[in-house]
Amino acid sequence: ETGVTQSPTHLIKTRGQQVTLRCSSQSGHNTVSWYQQALGQGPQFIFQYYREEENGRGNFPPRFSGLQFPNYSSELNVNALELDDSALYLCASAGGAGDEQFFGPGTRLTVL
Amino acid sequence: SQQGEEDPQALSIQEGENATMNCSYKTSINNLQWYRQNSGRGLVHLILIRSNEREKHSGRLRVTLDTSKKSSSLLITASRAADTASYFCARPRAGGTSYGKLTFGQGTILTVHP
Repeated sequence: ETGVTQSPTHLIKTRGQQVTLRCSSQSGHNTVSWYQQALGQGPQFIFQYYREEENGRGNFPPRFSGLQFPNYSSELNVNALELDDSALYLCASAGGAGDEQFFGPGTRLTVL
Repeated sequence: SQQGEEDPQALSIQEGENATMNCSYKTSINNLQWYRQNSGRGLVHLILIRSNEREKHSGRLRVTLDTSKKSSSLLITASRAADTASYFCARPRAGGTSYGKLTFGQGTILTVHP
């Protein structure tokens, strides 16, 4: 059984650019949640996908969007990057929308 | 905004000592979870305690929950250098039951000196 994986590990972008982060969920899991963690802070919930549909969203603007694919892997897209988007982006998968979730190692995004 | 408050923000102890971290929250919860994070990497789930439980143990970890005071504590006994990490409490968003949509506290940075 493989764990949750994320790619890339690190990424550097400039303001105004767009970025796509990827997450492969743990085998058998159909739910993926995304979190943003700024330096020195706890993670903040961005949104959750359950069986390819968005299933809840935190206080993030529409330029943060996502997708979940039939194999339950997921993407997080961020348009018009701002400096404050610099953070560690974590995804977590679960066997169902209400189950315990398992976190990936994260993608460190730096916006210059 | 993050509605779980943790204290202390940082804790420095010697190996073999116990470490206690506290978490407070504002709204009613169905469950509360504790996570560990090493060096800004992924979170590792430590323990989940439900609102009808007062105490839970897992190895050297002991978690308590006082719903009347809206607070929880994590105790690590006989600490080791490998316990050095950030520790977060997390609760379901908006008083819900879902384990998958969480509100995290700001965390406690624990340093255990050999």
